[in-house]
Amino acid sequence: GAVVSQHPSWVICKSGTSVKIECRSLDFQATTMFWYRQFPKQSLMLMATSNEGSKATYEQGVEKDKFLINHASLTLSTLTVTSAHPEDSSFYICSARPPGLTNTEAFFGQGTRLTVV
Amino acid sequence: AQTVTQSQPEMSVQEAETVTLSCTYDTSESDYYLFWYKQPPSRQMILVIRQEAYKQQNATENRFSVNFQKAAKSFSLKISDSQLGDAAMYFCAYRLGAQKLVFGQGTRLTINP
Repeated sequence: GAVVSQHPSWVICKSGTSVKIECRSLDFQATTMFWYRQFPKQSLMLMATSNEGSKATYEQGVEKDKFLINHASLTLSTLTVTSAHPEDSSFYICSARPPGLTNTEAFFGQGTRLTVV
Repeated sequence: AQTVTQSQPEMSVQEAETVTLSCTYDTSESDYYLFWYKQPPSRQMILVIRQEAYKQQNATENRFSVNFQKAAKSFSLKISDSQLGDAAMYFCAYRLGAQKLVFGQGTRLTINP
């Protein structure tokens, strides 16, 4: 099946620094990728929809300048958490769906655990 | 806006027994997709089963089956012959066309040996 790879799996950074998370579709081209945030014991909350070659679409309440999304190619989307603070510590997950038929499933990356100290 | 509700935060079942996880959703659309995802301790999201709303027949995947009641907007997951490896968080999700997935709150399933 299709594979989505996310890197890094975990990262620890100092408060005030920026962290970049990569999401790659390994065997299909993804014009759209999705970024989720998951707090402990909670559900996945959609942060933004990443669109190849255009600006990302952010969900209400998500700071665009805080969470920068770049989808520069058909196989790579990046999420940069800028000026990270401890409250940004969370589990971030990306997903992508092969284009074409709408009945195809979405595939998820392994997730990235971000800890801001 | 579409919403998905899982009213059971936690469920437990004896190994080899059957358990049903509940899910209801709210939508005004007639053609959409419903999914059950499993999230084990590794936190990797795994698709368990999916259902197209236009299909009346309930989807089945080996030990996993759904009871899709379109009029009632209900989409429950039945796990038969529960195994220790089934222990995980289970999320019900809704998708309209190529749009985003909307997830329920999740149900933590424990398998008792």
